[in-house]
Amino acid sequence: DGGITQSPKYLFRKEGQNVTLSCEQNLNHDAMYWYRQDPGQGLRLIYYSQIVNDFQKGDIAEGYSVSREKKESFPLTVTSAQKNPTAFYLCASSRTSGGAQYFGPGTRLLVL
Amino acid sequence: GENVEQHPSTLSVQEGDSAVIKCTYSDSASNYFPWYKQELGKRPQLIIDIRSNVGEKKDQRIAVTLNKTAKHFSLHITETQPEDSAVYFCAAPHNQAGTALIFGKGTTLSVSS
Repeated sequence: DGGITQSPKYLFRKEGQNVTLSCEQNLNHDAMYWYRQDPGQGLRLIYYSQIVNDFQKGDIAEGYSVSREKKESFPLTVTSAQKNPTAFYLCASSRTSGGAQYFGPGTRLLVL
Repeated sequence: GENVEQHPSTLSVQEGDSAVIKCTYSDSASNYFPWYKQELGKRPQLIIDIRSNVGEKKDQRIAVTLNKTAKHFSLHITETQPEDSAVYFCAAPHNQAGTALIFGKGTTLSVSS
């Protein structure tokens, strides 16, 4: 999992602001994912991408957007439409065939 | 779609005891079941996984068992140590979101010495 990086480690968002979380992997994985983690809850799927230039909404996509222009990169934008963005955001990747997913170190988003 | 239930939510054991965490799933088509360990403020780390064509898998002090008929799988940790203290998550294929996973809500394991 050392092949996945996320930045920044901490991010502060002001009301009405869009912010973008970075996720990069050098594992040559085709599939990438964004999960949100809240205290006492498991990880919930925001968006996923099985291949470059294609992505799909997950279970809690409202207020978020993504892009997948490069195989290595899958940035997540938290828009002002997301009214409760405070959470720990985790990016992961895997082979297209599924199986083991490996996670980045996470970004903790806080609202000012 | 798939649904994963995990129990217990908290588990406290003495060092050297065994710990067992159980998960149930709903979709009989699910064929891959990983377990992750997450230390405070860190990323989830894959510790063991099992595919539906085997019933048990071991790796040193940890093992996972799978009962496809009952649709449940369990994590077993033997000879627990304080460094085993963490949150453990089970997962199964989402089945409605490509190769994404759906996760249980986690078990906080505390090992006291």
